[in-house]
Amino acid sequence: RKEVEQDPGPFNVPEGATVAFNCTYSNSASQSFFWYRQDCRKEPKLLMSVYSSGNEDGRFTAQLNRASQYISLLIRDSKLSDSATYLCVVILSGSARQLTFGSGTQLTVLP
Amino acid sequence: DAGITQSPRHKVTETGTPVTLRCHQTENHRYMYWYRQDPGHGLRLIHYSYGVKDTDKGEVSDGYSVSRSKTEDFLLTLESATSSQTSVYFCAISSSPVRTSGIYEQYFGPGTRLTVT
Repeated sequence: RKEVEQDPGPFNVPEGATVAFNCTYSNSASQSFFWYRQDCRKEPKLLMSVYSSGNEDGRFTAQLNRASQYISLLIRDSKLSDSATYLCVVILSGSARQLTFGSGTQLTVLP
Repeated sequence: DAGITQSPRHKVTETGTPVTLRCHQTENHRYMYWYRQDPGHGLRLIHYSYGVKDTDKGEVSDGYSVSRSKTEDFLLTLESATSSQTSVYFCAISSSPVRTSGIYEQYFGPGTRLTVT
C-alpha cells in the first residue's frame, strides 16, 4: 500500500463546477499536510497547507480528518486556470521535513 | 516566488558519464532537497541536506551523491549516468517554520530535464 494515495482522476469538469479531491495517508504519525499544484512541465507550487481545523483560501477549502486519515481539497466555481495536477503531500513526524507525495490528480476545467 | 535556480535546465548525456546538477538559493534556508519525478511514480526524494556539510539519503539515493559546501548551493552528482536516471530533477528548500503550527513548507526550483542516452 502506498503511503499517500489520491483519487486517480483525471477529472474533467465544466467551468463554474465544484470539484473535490481526496487523499488518504497510511501513517497515523503523519504531522503536516499540504496541497501542491503542478502545471504541465513546471515545478510543484504550494497551494495551501492543511490545518487541523480546516482552512479556506478564496475558492479553495482544505479539510483534515485524522481519525479516517484523509485530507480533502474542494474547489468552488472552477476556472479554466485551475487546470493542473494537484498533489497531496504529507510530512511524517520526526522525518526532518521530508515530504511524501501522492501521485497526483489531474484536473481539466472545460469551457 | 522563492529564489531558487537550477542549472542546467536541460541536459543530454551518454551512459557512463558523470553529471552534476546545481541548485542555488538566495533565501538562506537551512534545508535543501533533491527529488526526481517520473511518470507513475510522482516525486521521490533522492537526498536532502539539513545544513552545510550535513546530508542524508532519501528514498532513491542509489547512484547519486550530494554535496553542500555553502548554505546557498546543493549539488547532485550522478557518478556514472544510466538510462534509468533519465528524469526531471527538482530541487526544493524549506521555508522558515511557522511557530504557531510547526508547519514546514517546501518551495521548488524550476527543474532540470536530464536525458541519458
